[in-house]
Amino acid sequence: GESVGLHLPTLSVQEGDNSIINCAYSNSASDYFIWYKQESGKGPQFIIDIRSNMDKRQGQRVTVLLNKTVKHLSLQIAATQPGDSAVYFCAGGGGYQKVTFGIGTKLQVIP
Amino acid sequence: DTGVSQDPRHKITKRGQNVTFRCDPISEHNRLYWYRQTLGQGPEFLTYFQNEAQLEKSRLLSDRFSAERPKGSFSTLEIQRTEQGDSAMYLCASSPPGTNTGGELFFGEGSRLTVL
Repeated sequence: GESVGLHLPTLSVQEGDNSIINCAYSNSASDYFIWYKQESGKGPQFIIDIRSNMDKRQGQRVTVLLNKTVKHLSLQIAATQPGDSAVYFCAGGGGYQKVTFGIGTKLQVIP
Repeated sequence: DTGVSQDPRHKITKRGQNVTFRCDPISEHNRLYWYRQTLGQGPEFLTYFQNEAQLEKSRLLSDRFSAERPKGSFSTLEIQRTEQGDSAMYLCASSPPGTNTGGELFFGEGSRLTVL
Protein backbone atom coordinates (compact mmCIF):
# COMPACT_ATOMS: atom_id res chain seq x y z
CA GLY A 1 0.00 0.00 0.00
CA GLU A 2 0.94 3.65 -0.05
CA SER A 3 3.49 4.58 2.57
CA VAL A 4 5.10 7.85 3.51
CA GLY A 5 7.72 8.01 6.24
CA LEU A 6 10.10 10.46 7.88
CA HIS A 7 13.81 10.28 8.70
CA LEU A 8 13.83 12.24 11.99
CA PRO A 9 11.18 12.46 14.71
CA THR A 10 12.49 15.72 16.29
CA LEU A 11 14.45 18.64 14.90
CA SER A 12 15.78 21.53 17.00
CA VAL A 13 16.73 24.72 15.19
CA GLN A 14 17.98 28.11 16.35
CA GLU A 15 15.65 30.98 15.60
CA GLY A 16 16.71 32.66 12.38
CA ASP A 17 18.41 29.57 10.97
CA ASN A 18 17.05 27.55 8.08
CA SER A 19 15.25 24.27 8.77
CA ILE A 20 15.24 21.21 6.58
CA ILE A 21 12.74 18.44 7.20
CA ASN A 22 13.16 15.24 5.22
CA CYS A 23 10.77 12.53 4.16
CA ALA A 24 11.06 9.23 2.29
CA TYR A 25 8.16 7.74 0.39
CA SER A 26 7.54 4.35 -1.15
CA ASN A 27 4.63 4.89 -3.54
CA SER A 28 5.59 6.76 -6.68
CA ALA A 29 2.00 6.82 -7.92
CA SER A 30 1.05 9.90 -5.90
CA ASP A 31 -0.06 12.83 -8.03
CA TYR A 32 1.13 15.28 -5.41
CA PHE A 33 3.47 15.33 -2.45
CA ILE A 34 2.38 17.61 0.30
CA TRP A 35 3.56 19.18 3.53
CA TYR A 36 1.25 19.90 6.43
CA LYS A 37 1.89 21.69 9.72
CA GLN A 38 0.06 20.76 12.89
CA GLU A 39 0.14 22.85 16.02
CA SER A 40 -0.82 21.37 19.36
CA GLY A 41 -4.57 20.86 19.69
CA LYS A 42 -5.33 21.87 16.12
CA GLY A 43 -6.02 20.15 12.85
CA PRO A 44 -3.29 19.89 10.20
CA GLN A 45 -2.76 22.98 8.07
CA PHE A 46 -1.65 22.81 4.45
CA ILE A 47 1.72 24.42 3.76
CA ILE A 48 2.72 23.59 0.22
CA ASP A 49 2.45 20.81 -2.33
CA ILE A 50 4.40 19.77 -5.38
CA ARG A 51 3.12 17.93 -8.39
CA SER A 52 4.87 14.66 -9.07
CA ASN A 53 6.29 15.91 -12.39
CA MET A 54 8.14 18.79 -10.71
CA ASP A 55 11.31 18.81 -8.62
CA LYS A 56 11.11 22.14 -6.83
CA ARG A 57 8.46 24.56 -5.72
CA GLN A 58 8.80 27.70 -3.64
CA GLY A 59 6.34 29.44 -1.41
CA GLN A 60 6.62 32.15 1.16
CA ARG A 61 9.70 31.20 3.23
CA VAL A 62 9.25 27.55 2.27
CA THR A 63 10.69 25.43 -0.50
CA VAL A 64 9.77 21.83 -1.28
CA LEU A 65 12.20 19.60 -3.16
CA LEU A 66 11.22 16.30 -4.74
CA ASN A 67 13.79 13.72 -5.80
CA LYS A 68 11.94 10.93 -7.56
CA THR A 69 15.11 8.94 -8.22
CA VAL A 70 15.63 8.25 -4.52
CA LYS A 71 11.98 8.84 -3.50
CA HIS A 72 12.86 11.70 -1.21
CA LEU A 73 10.92 14.84 -0.29
CA SER A 74 12.17 17.76 1.77
CA LEU A 75 10.75 20.96 3.21
CA GLN A 76 13.04 23.90 3.70
CA ILE A 77 11.95 26.74 5.96
CA ALA A 78 13.96 29.94 5.69
CA ALA A 79 14.69 32.12 8.73
CA THR A 80 12.84 29.83 11.13
CA GLN A 81 10.62 31.65 13.62
CA PRO A 82 9.13 30.58 16.96
CA GLY A 83 5.74 30.35 15.26
CA ASP A 84 7.14 27.59 13.05
CA SER A 85 7.33 25.26 16.06
CA ALA A 86 4.93 22.42 15.27
CA VAL A 87 4.77 18.88 13.94
CA TYR A 88 5.31 18.65 10.20
CA PHE A 89 3.83 15.82 8.14
CA CYS A 90 4.69 14.84 4.63
CA ALA A 91 1.89 13.26 2.67
CA GLY A 92 1.16 11.84 -0.74
CA GLY A 93 -1.96 11.83 -2.89
CA GLY A 94 -4.16 14.76 -3.78
CA GLY A 95 -6.33 15.38 -6.81
CA TYR A 96 -8.73 12.42 -6.88
CA GLN A 97 -6.40 10.33 -4.69
CA LYS A 98 -6.80 10.16 -0.95
CA VAL A 99 -4.09 11.93 1.01
CA THR A 100 -1.90 9.57 3.05
CA PHE A 101 0.18 10.99 5.89
CA GLY A 102 3.53 10.00 7.35
CA ILE A 103 4.47 9.90 11.05
CA GLY A 104 5.62 13.50 11.47
CA THR A 105 8.66 15.49 12.56
CA LYS A 106 8.50 17.80 15.54
CA LEU A 107 10.25 21.10 14.87
CA GLN A 108 11.46 22.96 17.96
CA VAL A 109 12.65 26.51 17.46
CA ILE A 110 15.14 27.69 20.06
CA PRO A 111 14.84 31.44 20.77
CA ASP B 1 -16.39 31.46 10.33
CA THR B 2 -16.29 29.69 6.96
CA GLY B 3 -13.91 26.89 7.92
CA VAL B 4 -14.60 23.22 8.60
CA SER B 5 -16.42 22.78 11.88
CA GLN B 6 -16.68 19.65 13.98
CA ASP B 7 -18.91 18.82 16.88
CA PRO B 8 -18.45 17.91 19.64
CA ARG B 9 -14.84 18.95 20.23
CA HIS B 10 -14.50 16.51 23.11
CA LYS B 11 -16.44 13.39 23.98
CA ILE B 12 -15.90 11.11 26.95
CA THR B 13 -17.86 7.90 26.92
CA LYS B 14 -17.94 4.52 28.56
CA ARG B 15 -16.95 1.41 26.71
CA GLY B 16 -19.87 -0.09 24.84
CA GLN B 17 -21.69 3.17 24.25
CA ASN B 18 -22.39 4.65 20.82
CA VAL B 19 -21.02 8.03 19.79
CA THR B 20 -21.68 10.27 16.80
CA PHE B 21 -19.53 13.07 15.43
CA ARG B 22 -20.67 15.72 13.02
CA CYS B 23 -18.66 17.61 10.41
CA ASP B 24 -19.74 20.67 8.47
CA PRO B 25 -17.38 21.23 5.52
CA ILE B 26 -16.68 24.49 3.73
CA SER B 27 -19.86 25.16 1.80
CA GLU B 28 -18.55 24.97 -1.77
CA HIS B 29 -16.43 21.88 -1.12
CA ASN B 30 -17.85 18.67 -2.55
CA ARG B 31 -15.26 16.31 -1.09
CA LEU B 32 -15.24 15.33 2.56
CA TYR B 33 -12.77 13.12 4.40
CA TRP B 34 -12.60 11.51 7.80
CA TYR B 35 -9.27 10.73 9.44
CA ARG B 36 -8.29 9.32 12.82
CA GLN B 37 -5.18 10.47 14.67
CA THR B 38 -3.62 8.99 17.80
CA LEU B 39 -0.92 10.67 19.86
CA GLY B 40 2.39 10.94 18.05
CA GLN B 41 1.03 9.55 14.80
CA GLY B 42 -0.03 11.07 11.53
CA PRO B 43 -3.69 11.17 10.54
CA GLU B 44 -4.95 7.81 9.23
CA PHE B 45 -7.45 7.84 6.39
CA LEU B 46 -10.86 6.40 7.27
CA THR B 47 -13.27 7.32 4.49
CA TYR B 48 -13.99 9.79 1.73
CA PHE B 49 -17.14 11.26 0.16
CA GLN B 50 -17.66 13.06 -3.07
CA ASN B 51 -20.98 14.81 -2.70
CA GLU B 52 -23.23 12.18 -1.04
CA ALA B 53 -21.37 9.17 -2.44
CA GLN B 54 -18.96 7.33 -0.17
CA LEU B 55 -16.17 6.49 -2.60
CA GLU B 56 -13.62 4.78 -0.41
CA LYS B 57 -13.42 3.16 3.01
CA SER B 58 -10.26 2.14 4.81
CA ARG B 59 -9.85 -1.35 6.20
CA LEU B 60 -9.40 0.49 9.50
CA LEU B 61 -13.13 1.21 9.40
CA SER B 62 -14.63 -1.83 11.09
CA ASP B 63 -18.30 -2.76 11.04
CA ARG B 64 -18.77 -0.67 14.17
CA PHE B 65 -17.97 2.47 12.22
CA SER B 66 -20.38 4.09 9.81
CA ALA B 67 -20.20 7.40 8.02
CA GLU B 68 -22.90 9.20 6.10
CA ARG B 69 -23.28 12.34 4.07
CA PRO B 70 -26.96 12.18 3.13
CA LYS B 71 -27.38 15.49 1.31
CA GLY B 72 -23.83 16.05 0.22
CA SER B 73 -23.30 18.72 2.84
CA PHE B 74 -22.60 17.79 6.48
CA SER B 75 -21.38 14.34 7.43
CA THR B 76 -21.69 12.15 10.50
CA LEU B 77 -19.35 9.47 11.78
CA GLU B 78 -20.90 6.99 14.19
CA ILE B 79 -19.01 4.50 16.30
CA GLN B 80 -21.10 1.74 17.84
CA ARG B 81 -20.12 -0.27 20.92
CA THR B 82 -17.05 1.84 21.53
CA GLU B 83 -13.82 0.21 22.67
CA GLN B 84 -10.87 1.77 24.47
CA GLY B 85 -8.85 1.43 21.28
CA ASP B 86 -11.23 3.87 19.61
CA SER B 87 -9.85 6.69 21.76
CA ALA B 88 -8.35 9.15 19.30
CA MET B 89 -8.82 12.47 17.58
CA TYR B 90 -11.29 12.21 14.71
CA LEU B 91 -10.50 14.76 12.04
CA CYS B 92 -12.71 15.92 9.22
CA ALA B 93 -11.40 17.66 6.13
CA SER B 94 -12.90 19.00 2.93
CA SER B 95 -11.61 20.01 -0.46
CA PRO B 96 -13.07 21.77 -3.49
CA PRO B 97 -14.01 20.02 -6.77
CA GLY B 98 -11.52 19.56 -9.60
CA THR B 99 -8.42 17.44 -10.22
CA ASN B 100 -6.06 20.41 -10.17
CA THR B 101 -6.69 21.20 -6.53
CA GLY B 102 -3.48 19.52 -5.47
CA GLY B 103 -3.06 18.11 -2.01
CA GLU B 104 -4.73 20.85 -0.04
CA LEU B 105 -7.26 19.59 2.44
CA PHE B 106 -8.96 21.96 4.84
CA PHE B 107 -9.12 20.36 8.27
CA GLY B 108 -11.38 21.04 11.18
CA GLU B 109 -10.12 21.21 14.75
CA GLY B 110 -11.11 17.60 15.37
CA SER B 111 -13.31 15.71 17.80
CA ARG B 112 -11.37 14.07 20.60
CA LEU B 113 -12.86 10.81 21.82
CA THR B 114 -11.94 9.23 25.14
CA VAL B 115 -13.38 5.80 25.88
CA LEU B 116 -13.20 4.80 29.53
